[in-house]
Amino acid sequence: QQQVKQSPQSLIVQKGGISIINCAYENTAFDYFPWYQQFPGKGPALLIAIRPDVSEKKEGRFTISFNKSAKQFSLHIMDSQPGDSATYFCAARSGGYQKVTFGIGTKLQVIP
Amino acid sequence: NAGVTQTPKFQVLKTGQSMTLQCAQDMNHNSMYWYRQDPGMGLRLIYYSASEGTTDKGEVPNGYNVSRLNKREFSLRLESAAPSQTSVYFCASSSRGGFSYNEQFFGPGTRLTVL
Repeated sequence: QQQVKQSPQSLIVQKGGISIINCAYENTAFDYFPWYQQFPGKGPALLIAIRPDVSEKKEGRFTISFNKSAKQFSLHIMDSQPGDSATYFCAARSGGYQKVTFGIGTKLQVIP
Repeated sequence: NAGVTQTPKFQVLKTGQSMTLQCAQDMNHNSMYWYRQDPGMGLRLIYYSASEGTTDKGEVPNGYNVSRLNKREFSLRLESAAPSQTSVYFCASSSRGGFSYNEQFFGPGTRLTVL
């Protein structure tokens, strides 16, 4: 049973466009929602994270939008660049020992 | 400061063989994790260790064992490898506790093929 549902699995965006990745969850015990970025051949690295009492968090070209009532959150990448081409994972933490549940990942390709 | 290191980087096993994946971190983190990454499945937690001396099962523990050797090291053992264990394995670590999210730092991964 997938606790964090992520879509789409793959995404192609033109350079300069907006990339949008969506995630949904059911467990209301989740208390933190990080996003990780993974380049080919590397381990994932934290990109940005949000708490459920915040509706939006922005860091540079990356923005998380959070809808607590709908139990959905999304990552927006503005002015997408070829260097953003990577796999993105949403995740959710249920407190305690920092254990997180990951979505299945979205492979983003930004074409020139 | 190397962060999280994993050995080996690549490994090919025959069905039934055993092996141990090694992981070490130099960030003085309390918590360590083992994940496997498979296409279409994302990252799935195999085992984690909240602190030295404790280990707990994650989502997919069957066929694996772990040892938290000390605060720095957390190893993953496959006693009798099966083709279904072909995957990329990642070790991660984080500081423990607190209200804020404590980032998990990942190693470079071990690509394992079981024939």
